Amino acid sequence: QVHLVESGGGVVQPGGSLRLTCAASGFTFSSYDVHWVRQAPGKGLEWVAVIWYDGSNQYYENSVKGRFTISRDNSGNTLYLQMNTLRAEDTAVYYCARGRECSGGTCYSAAYFQDWGQGTLVSISS
Amino acid sequence: EIVMTQSPATLSVSPGERATLSCRASQSVRSNLAWYQQKPGQAPRLLIYDATTRATGIPARFSGFGSGTEFTLAISSLQSEDFAVYYCQQYYNWWTFGPGTKVDLK
Repeated sequence: QVHLVESGGGVVQPGGSLRLTCAASGFTFSSYDVHWVRQAPGKGLEWVAVIWYDGSNQYYENSVKGRFTISRDNSGNTLYLQMNTLRAEDTAVYYCARGRECSGGTCYSAAYFQDWGQGTLVSISS
Repeated sequence: EIVMTQSPATLSVSPGERATLSCRASQSVRSNLAWYQQKPGQAPRLLIYDATTRATGIPARFSGFGSGTEFTLAISSLQSEDFAVYYCQQYYNWWTFGPGTKVDLK
């Protein structure tokens, strides 16, 4: 059974930093792209970042480029999101989500989000 | 950026009735369209992918239709557990979500 468990959220002052972690289990982590998606209080879903299954590529939503860094440890089945220079508008629940299955440069499924963690709340406030 | 729109914003339905939700893309996304269900305090759950394919474990009362720019999610006979917010998402060019349709009790 697929499990994605986020942690690391909390209250941070504007301009501060936070590192989110997503622990994965129940599937071959190194064979899947993984994403961060966020949801501001009472709002809709917003894609934040993706990292390829092998860590070779990372892509970001425009508003977080240069401030957020997505990374992964395939040996430890863990996804990270380093968030720097945080702003009030970054306040949200952050979800990790499992994406495409890929191996050796070939992907075997489309890029929808098959499974989601329960989320971790990040609150930026002075 | 591909912009997704959904209508209506809120759909009031009685249990047992059929619900029809619409999603439109600002440009063609072919069949690269997913639907997710989200209940209060919970993570989204994948319902439909590739516009028409039900995800594992999703009841047959959920059906997806469409391609290109116009898509529909139909719930044939609404159950109490189906009251939720439904989001469409395109994954043709990066990833963008619609603003959601809330299905509530009439």
